[in-house]
Amino acid sequence: GESVGLHLPTLSVQEGDNSIINCAYSNSASDYFIWYKQESGKGPQFIIDIRSNMDKRQGQRVTVLLNKTVKHLSLQIAATQPGDSAVYFCAEIRGDSSYKLIFGSGTRLLVRP
Amino acid sequence: DVKVTQSSRYLVKRTGEKVFLECVQDMDHENMFWYRQDPGLGLRLIYFSYDVKMKEKGDIPEGYSVSREKKERFSLILESASTNQTSMYLCASSWGDGYTFGSGTRLTVV
Repeated sequence: GESVGLHLPTLSVQEGDNSIINCAYSNSASDYFIWYKQESGKGPQFIIDIRSNMDKRQGQRVTVLLNKTVKHLSLQIAATQPGDSAVYFCAEIRGDSSYKLIFGSGTRLLVRP
Repeated sequence: DVKVTQSSRYLVKRTGEKVFLECVQDMDHENMFWYRQDPGLGLRLIYFSYDVKMKEKGDIPEGYSVSREKKERFSLILESASTNQTSMYLCASSWGDGYTFGSGTRLTVV
Protein backbone atom coordinates (compact mmCIF):
# COMPACT_ATOMS: atom_id res chain seq x y z
CA GLY A 1 0.00 0.00 0.00
CA GLU A 2 0.92 3.62 -0.24
CA SER A 3 3.08 4.91 2.61
CA VAL A 4 2.08 8.08 4.42
CA GLY A 5 4.78 10.68 4.86
CA LEU A 6 5.30 12.75 7.94
CA HIS A 7 3.20 15.91 8.01
CA LEU A 8 4.69 19.29 8.76
CA PRO A 9 2.60 21.08 11.40
CA THR A 10 0.91 24.07 9.82
CA LEU A 11 -0.29 27.29 11.37
CA SER A 12 -2.71 29.38 9.33
CA VAL A 13 -3.27 32.99 10.38
CA GLN A 14 -5.06 36.01 8.99
CA GLU A 15 -2.88 38.82 7.72
CA GLY A 16 -2.47 41.39 10.46
CA ASP A 17 -3.02 38.92 13.30
CA ASN A 18 -0.28 37.79 15.66
CA SER A 19 1.31 34.37 15.17
CA ILE A 20 2.70 32.09 17.85
CA ILE A 21 4.90 29.17 16.84
CA ASN A 22 5.87 26.70 19.53
CA CYS A 23 8.80 24.39 20.00
CA ALA A 24 9.75 21.86 22.65
CA TYR A 25 13.33 20.84 23.32
CA SER A 26 14.58 17.87 25.25
CA ASN A 27 18.07 18.60 26.49
CA SER A 28 18.27 20.67 29.67
CA ALA A 29 21.97 21.24 28.92
CA SER A 30 21.13 23.33 25.85
CA ASP A 31 22.13 26.91 26.47
CA TYR A 32 21.50 28.73 23.23
CA PHE A 33 18.42 28.72 21.02
CA ILE A 34 17.78 30.13 17.59
CA TRP A 35 14.74 30.58 15.39
CA TYR A 36 15.20 30.24 11.64
CA LYS A 37 12.91 31.08 8.77
CA GLN A 38 13.10 29.09 5.56
CA GLU A 39 11.37 30.27 2.43
CA SER A 40 10.79 27.99 -0.51
CA GLY A 41 14.01 27.28 -2.41
CA LYS A 42 16.25 28.98 0.15
CA GLY A 43 18.39 27.96 3.07
CA PRO A 44 17.37 28.77 6.66
CA GLN A 45 17.80 32.41 7.66
CA PHE A 46 18.46 33.62 11.19
CA ILE A 47 15.54 35.44 12.83
CA ILE A 48 16.29 35.77 16.52
CA ASP A 49 18.19 33.99 19.25
CA ILE A 50 18.09 33.68 23.02
CA ARG A 51 20.48 32.38 25.64
CA SER A 52 19.41 30.21 28.53
CA ASN A 53 20.02 32.96 31.09
CA MET A 54 17.14 34.94 29.53
CA ASP A 55 13.42 34.23 29.29
CA LYS A 56 12.44 36.81 26.69
CA ARG A 57 14.05 38.63 23.83
CA GLN A 58 12.50 41.05 21.36
CA GLY A 59 13.41 41.94 17.83
CA GLN A 60 11.62 43.80 15.10
CA ARG A 61 8.06 42.38 15.13
CA VAL A 62 9.35 39.15 16.68
CA THR A 63 9.64 37.99 20.27
CA VAL A 64 11.13 34.76 21.54
CA LEU A 65 10.06 33.34 24.90
CA LEU A 66 12.00 30.64 26.71
CA ASN A 67 10.54 28.54 29.52
CA LYS A 68 13.33 26.37 30.86
CA THR A 69 11.09 24.71 33.43
CA VAL A 70 9.06 22.95 30.76
CA LYS A 71 11.73 23.12 28.03
CA HIS A 72 9.56 25.20 25.74
CA LEU A 73 10.39 27.89 23.25
CA SER A 74 8.00 30.11 21.32
CA LEU A 75 8.27 32.62 18.51
CA GLN A 76 5.72 35.40 18.38
CA ILE A 77 5.29 37.40 15.19
CA ALA A 78 3.32 40.62 15.50
CA ALA A 79 1.05 41.85 12.71
CA THR A 80 1.78 38.87 10.47
CA GLN A 81 2.39 39.76 6.83
CA PRO A 82 2.24 37.66 3.63
CA GLY A 83 6.03 37.75 3.49
CA ASP A 84 6.12 35.87 6.78
CA SER A 85 4.79 32.74 5.07
CA ALA A 86 7.56 30.18 5.41
CA VAL A 87 8.69 27.19 7.44
CA TYR A 88 10.02 28.11 10.87
CA PHE A 89 12.54 26.00 12.74
CA CYS A 90 13.75 26.22 16.28
CA ALA A 91 17.29 25.03 16.90
CA GLU A 92 19.38 24.49 19.99
CA ILE A 93 23.06 24.35 20.73
CA ARG A 94 24.01 21.97 23.46
CA GLY A 95 26.05 23.08 26.43
CA ASP A 96 29.29 21.43 25.30
CA SER A 97 31.98 22.88 23.07
CA SER A 98 30.85 21.30 19.85
CA TYR A 99 28.65 24.14 18.55
CA LYS A 100 26.45 21.58 16.82
CA LEU A 101 23.07 22.98 15.92
CA ILE A 102 20.18 20.58 16.53
CA PHE A 103 16.96 21.39 14.69
CA GLY A 104 13.31 20.76 15.40
CA SER A 105 11.10 19.43 12.62
CA GLY A 106 9.63 22.80 11.69
CA THR A 107 6.25 24.52 11.46
CA ARG A 108 4.77 25.90 8.26
CA LEU A 109 3.19 29.34 8.65
CA LEU A 110 0.52 30.26 6.09
CA VAL A 111 -0.75 33.83 6.03
CA ARG A 112 -4.25 34.32 4.63
CA PRO A 113 -4.86 37.62 2.83
CA ASP B 1 27.90 39.49 4.57
CA VAL B 2 29.08 35.92 4.96
CA LYS B 3 28.32 33.87 1.91
CA VAL B 4 27.98 30.13 1.80
CA THR B 5 27.82 28.92 -1.77
CA GLN B 6 26.69 25.50 -2.85
CA SER B 7 27.80 24.75 -6.37
CA SER B 8 24.59 23.19 -7.64
CA ARG B 9 20.93 24.02 -6.94
CA TYR B 10 19.59 20.86 -8.59
CA LEU B 11 21.24 17.54 -9.38
CA VAL B 12 19.90 14.33 -10.84
CA LYS B 13 22.11 11.26 -10.48
CA ARG B 14 21.72 7.56 -11.13
CA THR B 15 21.79 4.85 -8.49
CA GLY B 16 25.35 3.72 -7.88
CA GLU B 17 27.00 6.92 -9.09
CA LYS B 18 29.60 8.69 -6.99
CA VAL B 19 28.28 12.17 -6.20
CA PHE B 20 30.15 15.23 -4.98
CA LEU B 21 28.35 18.17 -3.37
CA GLU B 22 30.55 21.21 -2.98
CA CYS B 23 30.29 24.05 -0.47
CA VAL B 24 32.45 27.16 -0.20
CA GLN B 25 32.38 29.91 2.44
CA ASP B 26 34.16 33.24 2.22
CA MET B 27 34.56 34.38 5.83
CA ASP B 28 37.33 32.18 7.15
CA HIS B 29 34.96 30.25 9.39
CA GLU B 30 36.51 27.27 11.10
CA ASN B 31 33.32 25.22 11.43
CA MET B 32 31.44 23.76 8.48
CA PHE B 33 28.46 21.44 8.43
CA TRP B 34 26.41 19.30 6.07
CA TYR B 35 22.71 18.70 6.77
CA ARG B 36 20.01 16.94 4.84
CA GLN B 37 16.44 18.15 4.99
CA ASP B 38 13.43 15.92 4.48
CA PRO B 39 9.73 16.77 4.90
CA GLY B 40 8.59 16.40 8.50
CA LEU B 41 12.08 15.50 9.73
CA GLY B 42 13.67 18.94 9.79
CA LEU B 43 17.40 19.25 9.28
CA ARG B 44 19.59 16.33 10.28
CA LEU B 45 23.33 16.63 10.67
CA ILE B 46 25.39 14.35 8.43
CA TYR B 47 28.98 15.44 9.06
CA PHE B 48 30.81 18.46 10.39
CA SER B 49 34.33 19.78 10.47
CA TYR B 50 36.12 22.08 12.91
CA ASP B 51 39.26 22.54 10.92
CA VAL B 52 41.10 21.59 7.78
CA LYS B 53 41.43 17.82 7.35
CA MET B 54 39.30 17.31 10.44
CA LYS B 55 35.85 15.69 10.32
CA GLU B 56 33.34 14.25 12.74
CA LYS B 57 30.21 12.19 12.19
CA GLY B 58 26.87 13.76 12.80
CA ASP B 59 23.61 11.94 13.44
CA ILE B 60 23.20 10.22 10.05
CA PRO B 61 26.65 9.67 8.47
CA GLU B 62 25.90 6.29 6.87
CA GLY B 63 26.38 6.32 3.12
CA TYR B 64 28.29 9.62 3.18
CA SER B 65 31.84 10.85 3.54
CA VAL B 66 33.36 14.33 3.56
CA SER B 67 36.53 16.11 2.61
CA ARG B 68 38.01 19.35 3.92
CA GLU B 69 41.34 19.98 2.25
CA LYS B 70 41.04 23.77 2.45
CA LYS B 71 39.41 25.90 5.14
CA GLU B 72 36.90 27.48 2.79
CA ARG B 73 35.67 24.28 1.12
CA PHE B 74 33.75 21.35 2.56
CA SER B 75 32.68 18.56 0.22
CA LEU B 76 30.02 15.93 0.82
CA ILE B 77 30.54 12.65 -1.03
CA LEU B 78 28.01 9.95 -1.75
CA GLU B 79 30.21 6.96 -2.60
CA SER B 80 27.38 5.04 -4.28
CA ALA B 81 24.19 7.02 -4.51
CA SER B 82 20.94 5.35 -3.55
CA THR B 83 17.34 6.45 -3.98
CA ASN B 84 16.94 7.00 -0.22
CA GLN B 85 19.55 9.74 -0.51
CA THR B 86 17.17 11.83 -2.58
CA SER B 87 16.88 14.95 -0.44
CA MET B 88 17.69 18.62 0.01
CA TYR B 89 21.28 19.06 1.20
CA LEU B 90 22.24 22.17 3.13
CA CYS B 91 25.73 23.35 3.93
CA ALA B 92 26.46 25.78 6.77
CA SER B 93 29.48 27.49 8.24
CA SER B 94 29.91 29.07 11.64
CA TRP B 95 32.25 30.91 13.93
CA GLY B 96 31.20 30.16 17.47
CA ASP B 97 27.41 29.90 17.49
CA GLY B 98 26.65 32.18 14.54
CA TYR B 99 25.56 30.01 11.62
CA THR B 100 25.11 30.89 7.95
CA PHE B 101 23.45 28.50 5.53
CA GLY B 102 23.77 28.00 1.81
CA SER B 103 20.70 27.89 -0.42
CA GLY B 104 20.74 24.12 -0.68
CA THR B 105 21.22 21.45 -3.33
CA ARG B 106 18.21 19.37 -4.24
CA LEU B 107 19.52 15.95 -5.19
CA THR B 108 17.38 13.37 -6.92
CA VAL B 109 18.72 9.83 -7.28
CA VAL B 110 16.93 7.80 -9.94
